[in-house]
Amino acid sequence: AQTVTQSQPEMSVQEAETVTLSCTYDTSESNYYLFWYKQPPSRQMILVIRQEAYKQQNATENRFSVNFQKAAKSFSLKFSDSQLGDTAMYFCAFMRATNAGKSTFGDGTTLTVKP
Amino acid sequence: EAGVAQSPRYKIIEKRQSVAFWCNPISGHATLYWYQQILGQGPKLLIQFQNNGVVDDSQLPKDRFSAERLKGVDSTLKIQPAKLEDSAVYLCASSQGLAYYEQYFGPGTRLTVT
Repeated sequence: AQTVTQSQPEMSVQEAETVTLSCTYDTSESNYYLFWYKQPPSRQMILVIRQEAYKQQNATENRFSVNFQKAAKSFSLKFSDSQLGDTAMYFCAFMRATNAGKSTFGDGTTLTVKP
Repeated sequence: EAGVAQSPRYKIIEKRQSVAFWCNPISGHATLYWYQQILGQGPKLLIQFQNNGVVDDSQLPKDRFSAERLKGVDSTLKIQPAKLEDSAVYLCASSQGLAYYEQYFGPGTRLTVT
């Protein structure tokens, strides 16, 4: 079974600061996907960024980038110029490539961006 | 393109009562998921459908929970009888298929069992 651990339950930053959210996972699979999802207060969960395990290059999506360390089973999210609209819960998720769609989520990090 | 629709958005029931949630996925999406999200935790997969067949229901408490996806489109999740620990947000998500890994989530149904 896969496990996903987010060690930062809460985080608070000032607007325009850079944010780094950490995530570690445990799996015996060699091929899988990793995701960061954003869940704003009272709003729907949306995909922020994804990483294929077979790709060595770290994924980027606009302001967002990941630091994927496969050997260490670490997958952190980084984004610069934080905005008030970035206030949300962020979930790290793992999905096996052999059964696409079954995701295991971490318990999330609540990020608050203050003006 | 319309997103994933869920109803009701909120539901309050007493323990031992029954409740049903409805989900309409994005048009053309073959895969549908039901998640349970307890306050302060990440979503936990309850059941996954591919068209109208079950792909995975290993974490569904089958003594009280049931789900169906007739005709491979809409889906209903039922709890009977409800327990206090079932209080959670129930999320529905869909994706184009098993090979398509991006899931689109609905707004969820917040269930409170008193």
